[in-house]
Amino acid sequence: DAGITQSPRHKVTETGTPVTLRCHQTENHRYMYWYRQDPGHGLRLIHYSYGVKDTDKGEVSDGYSVSRSKTEDFLLTLESATSSQTSVYFCAISAGTAGGYTFGSGTRLTVV
Amino acid sequence: AQSVAQPEDQVNVAEGNPLTVKCTYSVSGNPYLFWYVQYPNRGLQFLLKYITGDNLVKGSYGFEAEFNKSQTSFHLKKPSALVSDSALYFCAVRANTGGFKTIFGAGTRLFVKA
Repeated sequence: DAGITQSPRHKVTETGTPVTLRCHQTENHRYMYWYRQDPGHGLRLIHYSYGVKDTDKGEVSDGYSVSRSKTEDFLLTLESATSSQTSVYFCAISAGTAGGYTFGSGTRLTVV
Repeated sequence: AQSVAQPEDQVNVAEGNPLTVKCTYSVSGNPYLFWYVQYPNRGLQFLLKYITGDNLVKGSYGFEAEFNKSQTSFHLKKPSALVSDSALYFCAVRANTGGFKTIFGAGTRLFVKA
Protein backbone atom coordinates (compact mmCIF):
# COMPACT_ATOMS: atom_id res chain seq x y z
CA ASP A 1 0.00 0.00 0.00
CA ALA A 2 1.16 3.49 -0.75
CA GLY A 3 3.15 5.06 2.06
CA ILE A 4 3.79 1.92 4.05
CA THR A 5 6.08 -1.00 3.27
CA GLN A 6 6.91 -4.15 5.15
CA SER A 7 10.03 -6.24 4.80
CA PRO A 8 10.64 -9.01 4.21
CA ARG A 9 7.48 -10.19 2.45
CA HIS A 10 8.22 -13.83 3.22
CA LYS A 11 10.57 -15.47 5.67
CA VAL A 12 11.27 -18.99 6.82
CA THR A 13 13.27 -19.32 9.99
CA GLU A 14 14.23 -21.99 12.46
CA THR A 15 12.88 -22.40 15.96
CA GLY A 16 14.93 -20.52 18.51
CA THR A 17 16.38 -17.91 16.18
CA PRO A 18 15.68 -14.19 16.54
CA VAL A 19 13.75 -12.53 13.73
CA THR A 20 13.15 -8.85 13.00
CA LEU A 21 10.39 -7.54 10.79
CA ARG A 22 10.47 -4.00 9.54
CA CYS A 23 7.69 -1.53 8.88
CA HIS A 24 8.54 1.69 7.09
CA GLN A 25 6.16 4.59 6.45
CA THR A 26 6.49 7.77 4.46
CA GLU A 27 3.28 9.39 5.75
CA ASN A 28 4.77 10.89 8.93
CA HIS A 29 1.93 9.31 10.94
CA ARG A 30 2.27 9.28 14.69
CA TYR A 31 0.68 5.89 15.37
CA MET A 32 2.02 2.54 14.23
CA TYR A 33 0.81 -0.96 15.04
CA TRP A 34 1.80 -4.58 14.61
CA TYR A 35 -0.89 -7.22 14.21
CA ARG A 36 -0.79 -10.92 13.48
CA GLN A 37 -3.47 -12.64 11.42
CA ASP A 38 -4.38 -16.25 12.08
CA PRO A 39 -7.38 -18.24 10.83
CA GLY A 40 -10.26 -18.06 13.28
CA HIS A 41 -8.67 -15.25 15.27
CA GLY A 42 -8.83 -12.33 12.91
CA LEU A 43 -6.18 -9.75 13.65
CA ARG A 44 -4.66 -9.57 17.09
CA LEU A 45 -2.67 -6.60 18.29
CA ILE A 46 0.92 -7.38 19.28
CA HIS A 47 2.40 -3.97 20.06
CA TYR A 48 1.74 -0.41 19.10
CA SER A 49 3.52 2.93 19.15
CA TYR A 50 2.18 6.41 19.70
CA GLY A 51 5.43 8.21 19.02
CA VAL A 52 9.17 7.83 18.81
CA LYS A 53 10.32 5.65 21.70
CA ASP A 54 6.71 5.41 22.96
CA THR A 55 5.39 1.87 22.68
CA ASP A 56 2.95 -0.34 24.53
CA LYS A 57 1.77 -3.93 24.61
CA GLY A 58 -1.25 -5.30 22.83
CA GLU A 59 -3.27 -8.49 23.27
CA VAL A 60 -0.57 -11.01 22.34
CA SER A 61 2.77 -9.42 23.17
CA ASP A 62 4.54 -12.38 24.84
CA GLY A 63 7.63 -13.36 22.89
CA TYR A 64 7.71 -10.11 20.92
CA SER A 65 9.47 -6.80 21.36
CA VAL A 66 9.36 -3.59 19.35
CA SER A 67 11.41 -0.49 18.80
CA ARG A 68 10.73 2.86 17.25
CA SER A 69 13.77 5.09 17.06
CA LYS A 70 12.45 7.13 14.13
CA THR A 71 8.97 8.23 13.15
CA GLU A 72 9.11 6.25 9.93
CA ASP A 73 10.32 2.89 11.23
CA PHE A 74 8.69 0.39 13.58
CA LEU A 75 10.54 -2.87 14.13
CA LEU A 76 9.04 -6.07 15.48
CA THR A 77 11.44 -8.64 16.93
CA LEU A 78 10.68 -12.24 17.78
CA GLU A 79 13.25 -12.83 20.44
CA SER A 80 13.38 -16.61 20.01
CA ALA A 81 11.01 -17.79 17.30
CA THR A 82 8.58 -20.62 18.04
CA SER A 83 6.26 -22.54 15.75
CA SER A 84 3.27 -20.80 17.35
CA GLN A 85 4.57 -17.56 15.87
CA THR A 86 4.06 -18.82 12.35
CA SER A 87 1.61 -16.27 11.04
CA VAL A 88 1.04 -13.36 8.73
CA TYR A 89 2.17 -10.10 10.29
CA PHE A 90 0.65 -6.78 9.35
CA CYS A 91 1.86 -3.34 10.14
CA ALA A 92 -0.62 -0.46 10.22
CA ILE A 93 -0.39 3.30 10.55
CA SER A 94 -2.83 6.04 11.45
CA ALA A 95 -2.58 9.79 11.69
CA GLY A 96 -4.80 10.02 14.75
CA THR A 97 -6.82 7.93 17.14
CA ALA A 98 -10.09 8.54 15.28
CA GLY A 99 -8.81 7.60 11.86
CA GLY A 100 -8.86 4.35 9.98
CA TYR A 101 -5.70 2.39 9.48
CA THR A 102 -3.56 2.01 6.41
CA PHE A 103 -2.09 -1.46 6.33
CA GLY A 104 1.08 -2.78 4.83
CA SER A 105 1.06 -5.78 2.51
CA GLY A 106 2.04 -8.18 5.25
CA THR A 107 4.92 -10.51 6.06
CA ARG A 108 4.33 -14.24 5.94
CA LEU A 109 6.56 -15.82 8.57
CA THR A 110 7.06 -19.56 8.87
CA VAL A 111 8.93 -20.97 11.84
CA VAL A 112 10.15 -24.54 11.29
CA ALA B 1 -12.15 -4.52 27.94
CA GLN B 2 -13.03 -4.09 24.30
CA SER B 3 -14.36 -6.95 22.23
CA VAL B 4 -15.90 -7.53 18.84
CA ALA B 5 -18.07 -10.40 17.68
CA GLN B 6 -18.79 -11.36 14.12
CA PRO B 7 -21.31 -14.15 14.59
CA GLU B 8 -21.13 -15.54 11.05
CA ASP B 9 -17.98 -17.18 9.74
CA GLN B 10 -19.40 -17.05 6.23
CA VAL B 11 -22.18 -15.26 4.40
CA ASN B 12 -23.46 -16.39 1.03
CA VAL B 13 -25.50 -14.12 -1.21
CA ALA B 14 -26.51 -14.05 -4.85
CA GLU B 15 -25.27 -11.26 -7.07
CA GLY B 16 -27.73 -8.38 -7.15
CA ASN B 17 -29.22 -9.22 -3.76
CA PRO B 18 -28.68 -7.08 -0.68
CA LEU B 19 -26.02 -8.22 1.75
CA THR B 20 -25.52 -7.80 5.48
CA VAL B 21 -22.46 -8.73 7.49
CA LYS B 22 -23.10 -8.58 11.22
CA CYS B 23 -20.98 -7.11 13.99
CA THR B 24 -21.58 -6.52 17.67
CA TYR B 25 -19.19 -4.89 20.06
CA SER B 26 -18.43 -4.21 23.70
CA VAL B 27 -16.48 -1.19 24.84
CA SER B 28 -16.44 1.25 27.72
CA GLY B 29 -17.70 4.66 26.71
CA ASN B 30 -18.50 5.73 23.20
CA PRO B 31 -16.97 3.59 20.47
CA TYR B 32 -15.13 4.28 17.31
CA LEU B 33 -16.20 1.57 14.86
CA PHE B 34 -14.60 0.45 11.63
CA TRP B 35 -14.99 -1.99 8.77
CA TYR B 36 -12.08 -3.34 6.73
CA VAL B 37 -11.96 -5.66 3.75
CA GLN B 38 -9.28 -8.13 2.71
CA TYR B 39 -9.27 -9.42 -0.84
CA PRO B 40 -7.51 -12.74 -1.54
CA ASN B 41 -3.73 -12.57 -1.03
CA ARG B 42 -3.84 -8.87 -0.34
CA GLY B 43 -3.58 -6.57 2.61
CA LEU B 44 -6.48 -4.98 4.42
CA GLN B 45 -8.29 -1.92 3.17
CA PHE B 46 -10.30 0.57 5.18
CA LEU B 47 -13.98 0.66 4.15
CA LEU B 48 -15.74 3.02 6.54
CA LYS B 49 -15.93 4.28 10.10
CA TYR B 50 -18.38 5.59 12.66
CA ILE B 51 -17.12 8.20 15.08
CA THR B 52 -20.18 10.31 15.87
CA GLY B 53 -23.23 11.78 14.15
CA ASP B 54 -25.55 9.98 11.74
CA ASN B 55 -26.08 6.36 12.57
CA LEU B 56 -25.83 5.39 8.90
CA VAL B 57 -22.35 5.86 7.50
CA LYS B 58 -21.34 5.42 3.89
CA GLY B 59 -18.02 4.10 2.73
CA SER B 60 -16.07 2.80 -0.22
CA TYR B 61 -17.40 0.56 -3.01
CA GLY B 62 -21.06 1.28 -2.19
CA PHE B 63 -20.92 -0.16 1.31
CA GLU B 64 -22.65 1.39 4.29
CA ALA B 65 -23.01 0.50 7.95
CA GLU B 66 -25.61 1.22 10.57
CA PHE B 67 -24.65 2.04 14.13
CA ASN B 68 -27.18 0.90 16.73
CA LYS B 69 -26.19 1.97 20.22
CA SER B 70 -28.95 0.12 22.05
CA GLN B 71 -28.06 -3.17 20.35
CA THR B 72 -24.31 -2.41 20.35
CA SER B 73 -24.18 -3.37 16.70
CA PHE B 74 -22.52 -2.05 13.59
CA HIS B 75 -23.71 -4.16 10.67
CA LEU B 76 -22.21 -3.74 7.21
CA LYS B 77 -24.65 -3.52 4.32
CA LYS B 78 -24.80 -3.13 0.58
CA PRO B 79 -28.01 -2.83 -1.44
CA SER B 80 -26.82 -4.92 -4.39
CA ALA B 81 -23.94 -7.39 -4.09
CA LEU B 82 -21.31 -7.90 -6.76
CA VAL B 83 -19.21 -11.01 -7.36
CA SER B 84 -16.17 -8.78 -6.84
CA ASP B 85 -17.35 -8.09 -3.26
CA SER B 86 -16.32 -11.63 -2.34
CA ALA B 87 -13.68 -11.15 0.34
CA LEU B 88 -12.97 -11.34 4.07
CA TYR B 89 -14.54 -8.57 6.12
CA PHE B 90 -13.39 -7.40 9.53
CA CYS B 91 -15.22 -5.27 12.04
CA ALA B 92 -13.11 -3.33 14.55
CA VAL B 93 -13.70 -1.21 17.64
CA ARG B 94 -11.68 1.36 19.52
CA ALA B 95 -12.60 3.10 22.77
CA ASN B 96 -12.58 6.87 22.43
CA THR B 97 -11.07 7.39 25.86
CA GLY B 98 -7.60 6.31 26.85
CA GLY B 99 -5.36 4.02 24.86
CA PHE B 100 -4.95 3.61 21.16
CA LYS B 101 -5.85 -0.01 20.70
CA THR B 102 -8.17 -1.17 17.97
CA ILE B 103 -9.58 -4.65 18.47
CA PHE B 104 -10.67 -6.67 15.45
CA GLY B 105 -13.30 -9.35 15.08
CA ALA B 106 -12.44 -12.79 13.72
CA GLY B 107 -13.72 -11.90 10.27
CA THR B 108 -16.61 -12.95 8.04
CA ARG B 109 -16.02 -14.44 4.64
CA LEU B 110 -18.48 -13.18 2.04
CA PHE B 111 -19.22 -15.25 -1.04
CA VAL B 112 -21.23 -13.62 -3.79
CA LYS B 113 -22.47 -16.09 -6.39
CA ALA B 114 -23.15 -15.05 -9.96
